[in-house]
Amino acid sequence: GAGVSQSPSNKVTEKGKDVELRCDPISGHTALYWYRQSLGQGLEFLIYFQGNSAPDKSGLPSDRFSAERTGGSVSTLTIQRTQQEDSAVYLCASSLGGGGASYNEQFFGPGTRLTVL
Amino acid sequence: AQSVTQPDIHITVSEGASLELRCNYSYGATPYLFWYVQSPGQGLQLLLKYFSGDTLVQGIKGFEAEFKRSQSSFNLRKPSVHWSDAAEYFCAVGAAGAGSYQLTFGKGTKLSVIP
Repeated sequence: GAGVSQSPSNKVTEKGKDVELRCDPISGHTALYWYRQSLGQGLEFLIYFQGNSAPDKSGLPSDRFSAERTGGSVSTLTIQRTQQEDSAVYLCASSLGGGGASYNEQFFGPGTRLTVL
Repeated sequence: AQSVTQPDIHITVSEGASLELRCNYSYGATPYLFWYVQSPGQGLQLLLKYFSGDTLVQGIKGFEAEFKRSQSSFNLRKPSVHWSDAAEYFCAVGAAGAGSYQLTFGKGTKLSVIP
């Protein structure tokens, strides 16, 4: 079956502009995650959606970052008034469920490379 | 809060040589431990994971890792490296129980393979 897909694969924008990054999770996966991978850094957790529960936004670095998930499927990560330090690869992952007593493997998309000039 | 250290930023090995990538973690209880591989332009692929039980875990592509609680380590090994193994490798720790969906990743080790 299809894996996690993300679009666009590359995005170049000017400082101060808003950008939207899209993630299509694997069909049937109820959990969706966003991570940020900056140059020379590991992956940084941003936000987590599980079913209809309120998302865990604890990893969002500032109020310029927001995300939504419509209909329990597609998710959009929005960065407002982009800054140069926002340049990174943004990775999306999905899993059958969240955490808790049993762990569900996270399957990652190829990422969106964002460059802010 | 948990943390992961991968001491080696870049490792170069010859094809056919053995490989060991180091990973040390910090977590107050028994962690969930993972190794992921990322090829250029690709997402992360899970190589193997440790939850409990046998401390030596086998993964895909001939990789294995050993959990050593006394050393807080989870090193990745492969007896004979292939050129296709050139990629970046990430170790990650997850908290067991509530919030276990959150993975904390190390900064990665880039592996280069000399033909």
